[in-house]
Amino acid sequence: GENVEQHPSTLSVQEGDSAVIKCTYSDSASNYFPWYKQELGKGPQLIIDIRSNVGEKKDQRIAVTLNKTAKHFSLHITETQPEDSAVYFCAAGGSSASKIIFGSGTRLSIRP
Amino acid sequence: DAGVIQSPRHEVTEMGQEVTLRCKPISGHNSLFWYRQTMMRGLELLIYFNNNVPIDDSGMPEDRFSAKMPNASFSTLKIQPSEPRDSAVYFCASSFGGGYTGELFFGEGSRLTVL
Repeated sequence: GENVEQHPSTLSVQEGDSAVIKCTYSDSASNYFPWYKQELGKGPQLIIDIRSNVGEKKDQRIAVTLNKTAKHFSLHITETQPEDSAVYFCAAGGSSASKIIFGSGTRLSIRP
Repeated sequence: DAGVIQSPRHEVTEMGQEVTLRCKPISGHNSLFWYRQTMMRGLELLIYFNNNVPIDDSGMPEDRFSAKMPNASFSTLKIQPSEPRDSAVYFCASSFGGGYTGELFFGEGSRLTVL
């Protein structure tokens, strides 16, 4: 089955700097890669996703890159702000019959 | 628009008691998921319903866990009897369309503590 590894588990960056979170997956059939943000006391919320037919997707300050050959994908947050502090989860899934597997999460802290 | 609504938000119970968690998905969504979140195991999918029918329950830990979806607007996750290792945050999520490749809308979770 699919296995998703996520690094780092914690990340602290200065406000205004960039943050990068990396994930690897094991199942070469996976073709859907969402990223979720979880704020304290709340459920995860989708912030961006990418499908295997593209290598990069950007939405304002966040971007995701995908390398299918190496089976890894990354989340990039630029110009970080205090409200970016949260736990971020990557995930990978295949066809409609393949469940989404979540990474273990990265706790991102933005230092003022 | 109301999001996914879960109740109770917090539940403290003693080992051996029955626990029932409830979920109301977003109106119009036809897929519903129950997840469990713990520090040790992260986010685990317990069961997935599509059009009120259980499609994948391979994540349900054991027979003590059961889930139902009697109609499109309500689902329950029951643990009987509960054990301390069941302590976790249980999330319900819904989505539109079938399968696993659409956006999941999570509720705020039910934090369960079994003493």
